[in-house]
Order: sequence, then structure tokens, then C-alpha cells
Amino acid sequence: AQTVTQSQPEMSVQEAETVTLSCTYDTSENNYYLFWYKQPPSRQMILVIRQEAYKQQNATENRFSVNFQKAAKSFSLKISDSQLGDTAMYFCAFMKRLSYYGGSQGNLIFGKGTKLSVKP
Amino acid sequence: NAGVTQTPKFQVLKTGQSMTLQCAQDMNHNSMYWYRQDPGMGLRLIYYSASEGTTDKGEVPNGYNVSRLNKREFSLRLESAAPSQTSVYFCASSPPTGTGVNYGYTFGSGTRLTVV
Repeated sequence: AQTVTQSQPEMSVQEAETVTLSCTYDTSENNYYLFWYKQPPSRQMILVIRQEAYKQQNATENRFSVNFQKAAKSFSLKISDSQLGDTAMYFCAFMKRLSYYGGSQGNLIFGKGTKLSVKP
Repeated sequence: NAGVTQTPKFQVLKTGQSMTLQCAQDMNHNSMYWYRQDPGMGLRLIYYSASEGTTDKGEVPNGYNVSRLNKREFSLRLESAAPSQTSVYFCASSPPTGTGVNYGYTFGSGTRLTVV
């Protein structure tokens, strides 16, 4: 069974600075996806960034980037130039790849989350 | 707006009462999911439906039933609510795998359920 571990229950960062959220996972699978989801106080789950395990290049989305270390089973999220709107719970998630065309995506397995506070 | 719609947004039940949480998506996704979120626990999968006509248990199915009514709708039923089912419930959906597909789920806005 796959597990996802986020070892930092809470973090804080000053506005405009950089922060890194940690995530490790355990799996015997070779084909999978990794995700970071953001949950602001509005409760909505928002996809921040995704990474395909077969891609060596780290994914980036504007101020958000990941450090994907497949051998170490590590998937950290770096937020640059932190903004007050980045204040939220952040969840790391794992998905096993089940099929290649026309089938169902796998089930998302979530870590317990990291509560990030951006201070002015 | 296209997306996943959950109703109701808030609900208070007495122990032993029943209710159905409704979920509908208009993105022509084939798979749908129900999760619960508890403080310090992340999101845990209750049930899922890989395609219309199929449903399967997730990590925490006890006390729940589901119905995949059609491709758009996936409901979650609590037959006899218990205080341990106090939680925030999320419905989600995902498209089938294939070239160019953005992997990951689209989530509804959640239902906060309190059982007293």
C-alpha cells in the first residue's frame, strides 16, 4: 500500500520570502503521479502542481516548483515570493497510474497536510 | 461554471438520522469519488466509482453507501448517522486516461456535516 508523509504540520514564512514544504512517499510502483493541492480557508481544493514520475524534469507553475527525487521518494514544494494569498493548507498526494488510454485514473492518496501561514 | 457541484454545503443531523449528500459534475468525467476530511487526517477515500455502473470501497467505507445514478451524479448516503461521521465531505471527479489528459481530480466545494 502507498503512503504519503508530510512531516511539517505547520509552517510560517514572511511575505516575499521563499518556503519549502516537504513530502515523502512510499511505493513499490514505477508509474505514478504526484500532486500538491492547496486548500485555503474557503475549503476549496485547488490543484497547484503535478509531476509525472517518468519525467526527470521538475515541474514548475509560476511561483511554485517542485524538487522531485524519485530514488529518495521525495517530492517537496517550493513557493517563491510568498504572498498573503498563499496562506492555506497544502496537501501532497500520490496516484498510481492504472491504465494508459480510456481507463480510470487511480485513487488519490493524501498526506495529512501542512498548514502554511504567510505573515505580512 | 463547469465543475463539481455538491449539496448541501452545511448540515446538522441528530444521531440515528439519515441523509444523502448529492454530487454532480458536468465535465463528462467517467470517475467520481467521495472523501472525508478530518483535522490532522488529510483526506481519506470513502467510496469511488471508476465508471458509470460501478462502485468500490475506499479506505473508510463503513457507515456509508453510494449510488452512481448516471454518468453525472454520484451520491453518498448515511443510513444512521453517528457522531464519528462529523466531518467535511468532498466529492471529486476525474477524466479517463489518455494523451493530453491533465491527471488529477476536480473537487467540489465540500459539505460540512455535524452529527450531534
